[in-house]
Amino acid sequence: EAQVTQNPRYLITVTGKKLTVTCSQNMNHEYMSWYRQDPGLGLRQIYYSMNVEVTDKGDVPEGYKVSRKEKRNFPLILESPSPNQTSLYFCASSPTGMAGVTDTQYFGPGTRLTVL
Amino acid sequence: TQLLEQSPQFLSIQEGENLTVYCNSSSVFSSLQWYRQEPGEGPVLLVTVVTGGEVKKLKRLTFQFGDARKDSSLHITAAQPGDTGLYLCAGDMSGYALNFGKGTSLLVTP
Repeated sequence: EAQVTQNPRYLITVTGKKLTVTCSQNMNHEYMSWYRQDPGLGLRQIYYSMNVEVTDKGDVPEGYKVSRKEKRNFPLILESPSPNQTSLYFCASSPTGMAGVTDTQYFGPGTRLTVL
Repeated sequence: TQLLEQSPQFLSIQEGENLTVYCNSSSVFSSLQWYRQEPGEGPVLLVTVVTGGEVKKLKRLTFQFGDARKDSSLHITAAQPGDTGLYLCAGDMSGYALNFGKGTSLLVTP
């Protein structure tokens, strides 16, 4: 089944404890992206990747890191999480390096992160 | 920076009613997408509109892209409880990133 998977789905952690949220897609998509969704603020892009070894900042990259060493995986790293990073996180992928006109973004099921 | 304003933010209607959701911006978009998100799940694409003035229909849902490609609307005819969810519009300005609106939360009661 074609899908985007994220792990873990739920995570409660404490301030300063490094964590990684994994994202994997099995559709051979070139483009991958991370979003966070907060009440009243909607979906905001954190980072995106046009292809392997190519990443770029979205609207809210502060406090996050990403890597794209292989096409299928795009982990989101929080080196020192803080309470303001408590949010619902979504990974998405699309077939080519372009969003919108030519492509559909396929979203994962989400990771609910709580930082105490 | 969120460039898209959605209205209304919340909408609660009874089954069988019609409704319209709006997505407005002062920026021009090369395309605009509408997604629906259900609780506990990621957004799912409903439609992409590309040409100014374009109208697309998906069963009881009608999507329109403004002539100037700055705004869009979603009209639902005879809403059903299964239409309940969060409706998101997303605009593509650059070709590599989508800018999402904050969403319209729709509740349709039997």
